[in-house]
Amino acid sequence: EPEVTQTPSHQVTQMGQEVILRCVPISNHLYFYWYRQILGQKVEFLVSFYNNEISEKSEIFDDQFSVERPDGSNFTLKIRSTKLEDSAMYFCASGFGGGADTQYFGPGTRLTVL
Amino acid sequence: GESVGLHLPTLSVQEGDNSIINCAYSNSASDYFIWYKQESGKGPQFIIDIRSNMDKRQGQRVTVLLNKTVKHLSLQIAATQPGDSAVYFCAENSGGSNYKLTFGKGTLLTVNP
Repeated sequence: EPEVTQTPSHQVTQMGQEVILRCVPISNHLYFYWYRQILGQKVEFLVSFYNNEISEKSEIFDDQFSVERPDGSNFTLKIRSTKLEDSAMYFCASGFGGGADTQYFGPGTRLTVL
Repeated sequence: GESVGLHLPTLSVQEGDNSIINCAYSNSASDYFIWYKQESGKGPQFIIDIRSNMDKRQGQRVTVLLNKTVKHLSLQIAATQPGDSAVYFCAENSGGSNYKLTFGKGTLLTVNP
């Protein structure tokens, strides 16, 4: 069964450094998402991406964040200058339809900012 | 404002019993709902979904009930097994051009052998 994959599984970085989290969505999906989950809290929406552009973003997704689909298979989340409060699990998700359709999640990348 | 929340943060059941996990939502425009299961250290795993034009949907050992009058969603798990132990989240989407899922806080289900 196809699944969303993410790399790395764990990323440790120093405050102020740039990180890139990578995702390979399910191959025939058209909609791509990033969510995050701070330890012990609920999953929070960051951004959705469709047709090579951002379709919606939350207030968390400020100028320090960017997304890119550099080729036909990868979907990346970049944080330009990490802060301590960026430490969280970051989940990529993809779906065939839009928001009112099932979103399938990857296993996540645990980001630790020191 | 829109919000999705859970009535009970923890639920402990005996193996073989039925489990019911509840969720309340406040956005009357929500028209699509999903239940996810999250095991420790893993991503949310799709269990079952329901659209607002339905009030019940059944899967394998799981049933989702939607009561739009009181904005309430529930997940029923039949014959609960130890492998069902996880955190369960409800999520909602208000459709249209709204792409995001809004998640509830989660309920920890513990199945005792």
